Amino acid sequence: AQSVTQLGSHVSVSEGALVLLRCNYSSSVPPYLFWYVQYPNQGLQLLLKYTSAATLVKGINGFEAEFKKSETSFHLTKPSAHMSDAAEYFCAVSDEKLTFGTGTRLTIIP
Amino acid sequence: GAGVSQSPRYKVAKRGQDVALRCDPISGHVSLFWYQQALGQGPEFLTYFQNEAQLDKSGLPSDRFFAERPEGSVSTLKIQRTQQEDSAVYLCASSLGLNQPQHFGDGTRLSIL
Repeated sequence: AQSVTQLGSHVSVSEGALVLLRCNYSSSVPPYLFWYVQYPNQGLQLLLKYTSAATLVKGINGFEAEFKKSETSFHLTKPSAHMSDAAEYFCAVSDEKLTFGTGTRLTIIP
Repeated sequence: GAGVSQSPRYKVAKRGQDVALRCDPISGHVSLFWYQQALGQGPEFLTYFQNEAQLDKSGLPSDRFFAERPEGSVSTLKIQRTQQEDSAVYLCASSLGLNQPQHFGDGTRLSIL
């Protein structure tokens, strides 16, 4: 079965600093990987997806993620954090249905 | 340009009551998914439809949970004889097909008293 592991349930960064949210996957076949963001009392919004076309994937709101097969990782980054980035972030792998990680709550320090 | 619509947004029920949660997917999306999200957790898969066919219901926690999508569009998740452990946010998502990005509704927050 496919799975993802998110390291760090809480991450705090200063406004303007680099954001790095970690995700490692486990899959016996080339995975379909996604990052979603969830704001309070809302559903999940797709940030970006990896579908093997390119290892560096650019998403919305300045986020990007790099697929590294050798490290089985798909970490999410943003060069400069903004206050509006404060939210819960979920990494997910798709095998028809989505299997989510436990999430990382991102806090931005003014 | 409507997204996935779920109703009601909030539902409070007494233990033992039956509830029905509605999901209206994006027009043209053939795949429809239901997820359960407990407080502070990631969403967990419940069931999945391809058009009107329920292809996977392996995530339904008990036989009190039942989902349908009779015309391949709107879906209803029904929970019979609700229990306190059913309290959660129920999320619906739709997509164009297998392994395509899923688009989520805002969820229904169910509280069982």
